[in-house]
Amino acid sequence: AQKITQTQPGMFVQEKEAVTLDCTYDTSDQSYGLFWYKQPSSGEMIFLIYQGSYDEQNATEGRYSLNFQKARKSANLVISASQLGDSAMYFCAMSFDYKLSFGAGTTVTVRA
Amino acid sequence: EAGVAQSPRYKIIEKRQSVAFWCNPISGHATLYWYQQILGQGPKLLIQFQNNGVVDDSQLPKDRFSAERLKGVDSTLKIQPAKLEDSAVYLCASSEQGALNEQYFGPGTRLTVT
Repeated sequence: AQKITQTQPGMFVQEKEAVTLDCTYDTSDQSYGLFWYKQPSSGEMIFLIYQGSYDEQNATEGRYSLNFQKARKSANLVISASQLGDSAMYFCAMSFDYKLSFGAGTTVTVRA
Repeated sequence: EAGVAQSPRYKIIEKRQSVAFWCNPISGHATLYWYQQILGQGPKLLIQFQNNGVVDDSQLPKDRFSAERLKGVDSTLKIQPAKLEDSAVYLCASSEQGALNEQYFGPGTRLTVT
C-alpha cells in the first residue's frame, strides 16, 4: 500500500522568504508520480507541480520547485519568494494505478 | 473553459437523513472522481468513474453511499442514511482519461451531519 507522510502540521513564513514543505512516501512500486496541491480557504484543490519517478531532473513551475530524492523517498516542495496569497493548506500526493493518495497536509501562513 | 461544478456548496442534515451531491465535470473529461475530505485530513478517494463505468469503488461505504454517472457526464453521490462521521467536504474532480497530472477539482460540498 502507498503511504504519504507530511510531518509539519503548520508553518509560518515571512513574506518574500522561501519555505520548504516536507513529504515522504512509502511504496514498493518503481513507477509512480508525485504531486503537490494547494487548498486555499475557499476549498478547491489547485494542482501545483508533478514529478514522475523516472524523471531525473527536479520539476519546477514558476515559484514552485520539487526537491525529489528518490533513494530517501522524499518529495519536498519549495516555494520561493512567498506571497500573502500563498497562505493555504498544501497536500502532497502520490499516484498509483491511476489513483491519488494524499498526505494529511501542511498549513502555511505567510506573514507580512 | 468552465471548471468542475458542484452543488450544493453547503448542506446541513440530521443523522439518518438522506443527502445527494451533484457534480458536472469539465467538458470532454472521461474520468470523474469523488473524494471525501474530513477536517484536518487529506482527500480520500471514494469512487472513480471512466465514462459511465466504475473503475474503483473499493473505499466507498456501500451500505450507505452510492454514486452514479448514467450518461458519462455529470454524476451524483448519495448518502442514505447519513451518520455523524460523514461530516466532511465532498470533492469532485475530473480529468482526461487517466491523466492524473491534469486532474481538476471542483469547489466541494461541505456536509454537516448533526
